[in-house]
Amino acid sequence: SQKIEQNSEALNIQEGKTATLTCNYTNYSPAYLQWYRQDPGRGPVFLLLIRENEKEKRKERLKVTFDTTLKQSLFHITASQPADSATYLCALDEGDQTGANNLFFGTGTRLTVIP
Amino acid sequence: DARVTQTPRHKVTEMGQEVTMRCQPILGHNTVFWYRQTMMQGLELLAYFRNRAPLDDSGMPKDRFSAEMPDATLATLKIQPSEPRDSAVYFCASGFGASGSYEQYFGPGTRLTVT
Repeated sequence: SQKIEQNSEALNIQEGKTATLTCNYTNYSPAYLQWYRQDPGRGPVFLLLIRENEKEKRKERLKVTFDTTLKQSLFHITASQPADSATYLCALDEGDQTGANNLFFGTGTRLTVIP
Repeated sequence: DARVTQTPRHKVTEMGQEVTMRCQPILGHNTVFWYRQTMMQGLELLAYFRNRAPLDDSGMPKDRFSAEMPDATLATLKIQPSEPRDSAVYFCASGFGASGSYEQYFGPGTRLTVT
């Protein structure tokens, strides 16, 4: 069966440290992988997109890696801040030929950055 | 600041009643998505439209759910009759793309409670 697993429902980390979130998938062949942030009571907000032929993508304090052999993506937040506390969702896009951008979401990891 | 809007934000109804949720996508976006989010299942795609045409609604219970896009500024999701298991947060998202993968912009969601 198809599965998208994100490491532990909750992750607590000290301010200033690097947070590393994991997304593992089974029986998907994503051409793209996206990461979203979701705050309580709000809709997800797009953060980063990485293609299958890209190993790494960076944006400010964020870094995403994508290993299609391991079927895994890692999401890093360096110099974490309390404002980074949120739930982070990974989403797979198998790259439908219609360009429909049909995303399959993981259940998310709730990150808490402790001051 | 362009945003996806959804109404109502909260809806409490009794089992058997009809529920209609509305979404105004970002002007110019050509793809609209409906998602349902629960604690148990996470974020699940129900249906999506490209240029107002339905592309896939395989995620929806066909007997009670229907999604339409009467014009480019309005998407609707109806449940008739509603059941307690439909209680969830329903998100609308929109995006623009012709191919490949692209970010989706989510609305604030409609929190539905069916008693």
